[in-house]
Amino acid sequence: EVQMVESGGGLVQPGGSLRLSCGGSGFTFSNYAMNWVRQAPGKGLEWVAVIGDDGGSKYYADSVKGRFTISRDNSENTLYLQMNSLRAEDTAVYYCAKSAVAATEGYLDYWGQGTLVTVSS
Amino acid sequence: QPVLTQSPSASASLGASVTLTCTLSSEHGDYHIAWHQQQPEKGPRFLMKVNTDDTYRKGDGIPDRFSASTSGAERFLTISSLQSEDEADYYCQTWGTGFQVFGTGTKVTVL
Repeated sequence: EVQMVESGGGLVQPGGSLRLSCGGSGFTFSNYAMNWVRQAPGKGLEWVAVIGDDGGSKYYADSVKGRFTISRDNSENTLYLQMNSLRAEDTAVYYCAKSAVAATEGYLDYWGQGTLVTVSS
Repeated sequence: QPVLTQSPSASASLGASVTLTCTLSSEHGDYHIAWHQQQPEKGPRFLMKVNTDDTYRKGDGIPDRFSASTSGAERFLTISSLQSEDEADYYCQTWGTGFQVFGTGTKVTVL
């Protein structure tokens, strides 16, 4: 069974940093691109970032470019999102989502349960 | 980048059918899309990928009640024999080099 489990969310002050993790199991982690998608309270889904299967290609939404960094450790089957210079508008549930293909262009076919990030003083 | 337009809400009676529409921006009518379901207080779940030739590939365990079709720049998701657990938000999604785009979502209410 394919599973992704996110962790690392919590309360952080504006301007602070947080690192999210996502452990994948039930599939060959290193064969697929991986994404982060977020959902602000009461709002829709917003794509955040994608990383290719080997970590060589990375893309970001304009709203997080220069502040967030996506990375992966295929030996540990783990995806990361380093979030710096956090703002109130980054408050959201962050989901890890598996791509159906190795390249960064592809639909999302499995989702984690999400981890809540709250940016507030 | 494509823009995906969805109606905010739809409703139908238990056991009836409902069809949701996702409209691609005019210059992006040849994009494939995917549909995702999000039940209340849960993470999203992949339903199916819809190709421009009207074929689709479903996710694991998705019932036959869910089907999809295409017409021009419009992509449709039909839920037949509506069940109470189908009450959820439904999002369409498309992708390209360096981006993923979601529609604004349609909230389905089962009457």
